[in-house]
Amino acid sequence: EVQLVESGGGLVQPGGSLRLSCAASGFTFSSYSMNWVRQAPGKGLEWISYISSSSSTMSYADSVKGRFTISRDNAKNSLYLQMYSLRDEDTAVYYCASLLPEGWFDPWGQGTLVTVSS
Amino acid sequence: EIVLTQSPATLSLSPGERATLSCRASQSVSSYLAWYQQKPGQAPRLLIYDASNRATGIPARFSGSGSGTDFTLTISSLEPEDFAVYYCQRRSNWPTTWAFGQGTKVEIK
Repeated sequence: EVQLVESGGGLVQPGGSLRLSCAASGFTFSSYSMNWVRQAPGKGLEWISYISSSSSTMSYADSVKGRFTISRDNAKNSLYLQMYSLRDEDTAVYYCASLLPEGWFDPWGQGTLVTVSS
Repeated sequence: EIVLTQSPATLSLSPGERATLSCRASQSVSSYLAWYQQKPGQAPRLLIYDASNRATGIPARFSGSGSGTDFTLTISSLEPEDFAVYYCQRRSNWPTTWAFGQGTKVEIK
């Protein structure tokens, strides 16, 4: 069964840092590009970052560029999101999602909640 | 940046009725558009990709159409499990980015 499981969420103060992880199983992780998408409480979906299968290409939404870093470890079947300089508006459920060859997101993990608050 | 605008924000319908959801792009996205369904407390699920192709396991009552700037998701006859929020998504190839519309909630009338 294809599965993505996020972890690492929690409560962090404004200006703090946090590292999210996404563990993949049931498919050849190293062959697939990956993404992070977030959803603020009661709000819509926001794509925030992409990484290619070999880590050769990465991209970010303007809202997180310069503060967040996406990475992966294909040997560990894991995707990461390092978040720095966190702000109140970064409070959200963070999802990892695999990129289909057609260029769309499937499957998704169940999400991990990040709360930025003093 | 290409912005996606979904309408209506909320659609109130009864089971068995037809649902028509709209997604409009501020510039042409060709057929690079997908639709996702999200139920409360769950992750989104891919329904339609490349504007009109059903994803694996998606029932035939879901269909997508359109190209360029105007797209439609149609649910031919609403089942109880179809009441959810629906998002459209576009992608850009250079740079490699994606964006979502703000969502349409399909609620039970």
